Amino acid sequence: DTGVSQDPRHKITKRGQNVTFRCDPISEHNRLYWYRQTLGQGPEFLTYFQNEAQLEKSRLLSDRFSAERPKGSFSTLEIQRTEQGDSAMYLCASSGRTASSYNEQFFGPGTRLTVL
Amino acid sequence: DAKTTQPPSMDCAEGRAANLPCNHSTISGNEYVYWYRQIHSQGPQYIIHGLKNNETNEMASLIITEDRKSSTLILPHATLRDTAVYYCIVSSNTGKLIFGQGTTLQVKP
Repeated sequence: DTGVSQDPRHKITKRGQNVTFRCDPISEHNRLYWYRQTLGQGPEFLTYFQNEAQLEKSRLLSDRFSAERPKGSFSTLEIQRTEQGDSAMYLCASSGRTASSYNEQFFGPGTRLTVL
Repeated sequence: DAKTTQPPSMDCAEGRAANLPCNHSTISGNEYVYWYRQIHSQGPQYIIHGLKNNETNEMASLIITEDRKSSTLILPHATLRDTAVYYCIVSSNTGKLIFGQGTTLQVKP
């Protein structure tokens, strides 16, 4: 297994544009998480899925943000009408099926978003 | 989830043990202590976790005090590649990790 992958690795966009990121988790993992990380800060939890069900969303996830995991495999994170404050690293992680492994998360390399 | 307190930065000489402390005085009985690290420009990497007993794996050792209010991550023989930000997190098995600002460990030759 090649681990968690994210695409693209870098994205530069203009304010007001929509962007979409993709995350491919480790194949046997049923949980998938999205985090956001700004410079000098630790990652902040955004949302997570168990299979295709989105079980929790942070209040950080405004109406402009939407995440999906339609078939319980890969996930997408879309940001509509981007703002400069959305500039950050967006990290995806996955974890296994048992409760004891939920917090042992495998992270992808992240997508760095720059909003001009 | 309980909050943790870590020193913002630490230095360690290459080949020596790195001991990274973490205070979590409000930890609940069902919460575990997790350690992750993040090497520059990479995603965080899971290191180790424990509930109340000391734990050791191929990467590190975790020492948890008897009252569980603090813990220490030990890298027994630090190398330059261990230079990273180390995060101590306390969490029950929810999958929701709350990262603080961590400790930046600089391993020096």
